[in-house]
Amino acid sequence: DTEVTQTPKHLVMGMTNKKSLKCEQHMGHRAMYWYKQKAKKPPELMFVYSYEKLSINESVPSRFSPECPNSSLLNLHLHALQPEDSALYLCASSQLGDRGEQYFGPGTRLTVT
Amino acid sequence: GESVGLHLPTLSVQEGDNSIINCAYSNSASDYFIWYKQESGKGPQFIIDIRSNMDKRQGQRVTVLLNKTVKHLSLQIAATQPGDSAVYFCAEGLGSWGKLQFGAGTQVVVTP
Repeated sequence: DTEVTQTPKHLVMGMTNKKSLKCEQHMGHRAMYWYKQKAKKPPELMFVYSYEKLSINESVPSRFSPECPNSSLLNLHLHALQPEDSALYLCASSQLGDRGEQYFGPGTRLTVT
Repeated sequence: GESVGLHLPTLSVQEGDNSIINCAYSNSASDYFIWYKQESGKGPQFIIDIRSNMDKRQGQRVTVLLNKTVKHLSLQIAATQPGDSAVYFCAEGLGSWGKLQFGAGTQVVVTP
């Protein structure tokens, strides 16, 4: 199984809502990533987890809160988002030490109203 | 760095021709370079990588060339097919493990 799954596919939320994005992989990868991608732009790294511990936070606002409950799951908790946070949120995973060959999920299309 | 503009550079290629996609990278200290393909509605998909101690690497129908002197990377696709239509991103590995910096991307459109 070389698939990274993400749920939901689409999410519309108000600025006062709390929601979560979920990501799952069963490839035994111990590195997992969250990226944000705006239309016509490249993915921008948000967070990196290795061995279920946060190793990189790219100065992401605290309204985004990542969580890695186990080696297969990665969550992104959202609270008090702004309209400019509307984007495609991509999850990826890789073998530890193999930073280049990251396997990406299809993303969650988030719209903040 | 930040991407500029709302429109991706576009490469229009006739089916069966070879494609060359170019990328300029910014950090001379980067030691790892990757090409990703992103089809509409999907996440990026790894194509091929190259380390800074190499100047060429070949895969199936793809070749990556690295010119460290001018900080330039290219992806060559042989016998381009309709399924190659996508946005192609180069990425560079920057120091910290697991951190990739993606380039702006090139839209490849394959015409019959």
